[in-house]
Amino acid sequence: DVKVTQSSRYLVKRTGEKVFLECVQDMDHENMFWYRQDPGLGLRLIYFSYDVKMKEKGDIPEGYSVSREKKERFSLILESASTNQTSMYLCASYRTSGRAGEQFFGPGTRLTVL
Amino acid sequence: GDSVTQMEGPVTLSEEAFLTINCTYTATGYPSLFWYVQYPGEGLQLLLKATKADDKGSNKGFEATYRKETTSFHLEKGSVQVSDSAVYFCALETSGSRLTFGEGTQLTVNP
Repeated sequence: DVKVTQSSRYLVKRTGEKVFLECVQDMDHENMFWYRQDPGLGLRLIYFSYDVKMKEKGDIPEGYSVSREKKERFSLILESASTNQTSMYLCASYRTSGRAGEQFFGPGTRLTVL
Repeated sequence: GDSVTQMEGPVTLSEEAFLTINCTYTATGYPSLFWYVQYPGEGLQLLLKATKADDKGSNKGFEATYRKETTSFHLEKGSVQVSDSAVYFCALETSGSRLTFGEGTQLTVNP
């Protein structure tokens, strides 16, 4: 089974802190994604990566950056956390399967910024 | 741009009731369509998918048919169970493995 793990389930940080969210997948997938999930808004794509050291902006990249130094690990960085970044953060990796693949999600990190 | 619209929730049903969650989409090209489910405290997991018009995806008693003429992909189940209580997301993929998600629909099934 594909496993996607995230470093923390719950995280509380203060405004202005630098925050690192880590994601690791164990299936050698090339594509990885970071989303944030907010009630009534569904999932919104922050950043994604097609390969090591490659990154692409998603729909809401402002205030975030990412790092992909190894294929299995994709990190989301909040350079200076703000209260409007309080949210659930979900990481996913992607497996190609026929004409359309499948994204595999981690359990999520619920981040609260005070 | 691409977008997905789901019926507003939350939806509350009694066990063994019929379920429909509406989903419509706007996209250029010919997207693949998905339903993902999120059980309490977990990440999303793929429930079913369809890759071309008139395809029917099915899994765990759930079904959805890709209707190009109405740009819809409604989720149905004939008899829901308490264990189906979850949030359901409709999504589309047009290219490059990126997904566009709907807002999600919270389903609660009471015994």
